[in-house]
Amino acid sequence: AQKITQTQPGMFVQEKEAVTLDCTYDTSDPSYGLFWYKQPSSGEMIFLIYQGSYDQQNATEGRYSLNFQKARKSANLVISASQLGDSAMYFCAMRERAGGYNKLIFGAGTRLAVHP
Amino acid sequence: NAGVTQTPKFQVLKTGQSMTLQCAQDMNHEYMSWYRQDPGMGLRLIHYSVGAGITDQGEVPNGYNVSRSTTEDFPLRLLSAAPSQTSVYFCASTSLAAGELFFGEGSRLTVL
Repeated sequence: AQKITQTQPGMFVQEKEAVTLDCTYDTSDPSYGLFWYKQPSSGEMIFLIYQGSYDQQNATEGRYSLNFQKARKSANLVISASQLGDSAMYFCAMRERAGGYNKLIFGAGTRLAVHP
Repeated sequence: NAGVTQTPKFQVLKTGQSMTLQCAQDMNHEYMSWYRQDPGMGLRLIHYSVGAGITDQGEVPNGYNVSRSTTEDFPLRLLSAAPSQTSVYFCASTSLAAGELFFGEGSRLTVL
């Protein structure tokens, strides 16, 4: 069974609009962490944001926020005020304590295109 | 600010050839790992290490060997390359105190 599911292979958004990239996860471990990474066309992996399973508030980092709905097991990334430079692949990933706490399991990714 | 350094960035091999992808980090991270990235499949864990002398298998270890003789280095060896190993390979590290993975720039391997 997929541990991390990203159901949107591709998304597009108009510049300056907000966009939500979906991520659902599957775990029975009460202690886990959720990450989002950005991969631009140049290929490097850029860390964006982290949410711990015990964090009471949704994580935010600048224009990025994580809409964490624990009961639904979803961890959607919200990008506000999209910029052309946001065009990239976005990966959701999970780390479980039981699985070896530093191993990340990745989703298949969502390709975001920002249009002017 | 070297971070995680991978070499080579590009490599073409013939089936059956062997090669080593090098990975070095200068952040004194205990944890190091290798992932492969294939279209539509995200990143999949090949092998990982939680310290010098300790390695373990990830999701897709077949066809790959690793060793960790120092904290800094974590080479990935392909003993007999196969076309199915054509992929982009990423090395990543982090501290065991938790935190995000720091990735190298990736190595694109093509096996003919």
